[in-house]
Amino acid sequence: DTAVSQTPKYLVTQMGNDKSIKCEQNLGHDTMYWYKQDSKKFLKIMFSYNNKELIINETVPNRFSPKSPDKAHLNLHINSLELGDSAVYFCASSPRTGYEQYFGPGTRLTVT
Amino acid sequence: EDQVTQSPEALRLQEGESSSLNCSYTVSGLRGLFWYRQDPGKGPEFLFTLYSAGEEKEKERLKATLTKKESFLHITAPKPEDSATYLCAVGRGSTLGRLYFGRGTQLTVWP
Repeated sequence: DTAVSQTPKYLVTQMGNDKSIKCEQNLGHDTMYWYKQDSKKFLKIMFSYNNKELIINETVPNRFSPKSPDKAHLNLHINSLELGDSAVYFCASSPRTGYEQYFGPGTRLTVT
Repeated sequence: EDQVTQSPEALRLQEGESSSLNCSYTVSGLRGLFWYRQDPGKGPEFLFTLYSAGEEKEKERLKATLTKKESFLHITAPKPEDSATYLCAVGRGSTLGRLYFGRGTQLTVWP
């Protein structure tokens, strides 16, 4: 009965590669988010979608592109990976925008 | 510019020793203050939402309170399983959905 799930859990790749992280929620929520948690554990929002519509797009390199095929899924595609992209990426969802958010288990991305 | 500041950064308590964690914020138009618990290698787990000054929420040994400038997470008679990083986040009315997180307080409770 997983609420917010992400795949993969770990991702190790080389600089310059393209990778994707997938997220799914079975809570029936309308809004989904992507966060980045750096090595100092600071959590910062990257994107947010409400019913497949992009509503938050923080200052993130164009190499990062979110896609929401339906309101239960939000994927993150990263092109031309750089060393600085190494972090833990969390997906989250909320019943409506502005309400409490529920987080997935995270994807630890390591770029070598 | 930090809009959410948590203190202390780390706290060690003996089992049963009550204490409080602080979260101060400078955002205007507060649209909710949220407390989360994060265990190593896991995603943040939602604990409480507070919306207005004077509001309080309780869950087991945890109690969250809110004033106009800060929130406290009181831990009464903690147990080792309460060890985790506690994160505070605030939402602003002008930017719904965007949560501003503090850097967390790492709590260790030893037996």
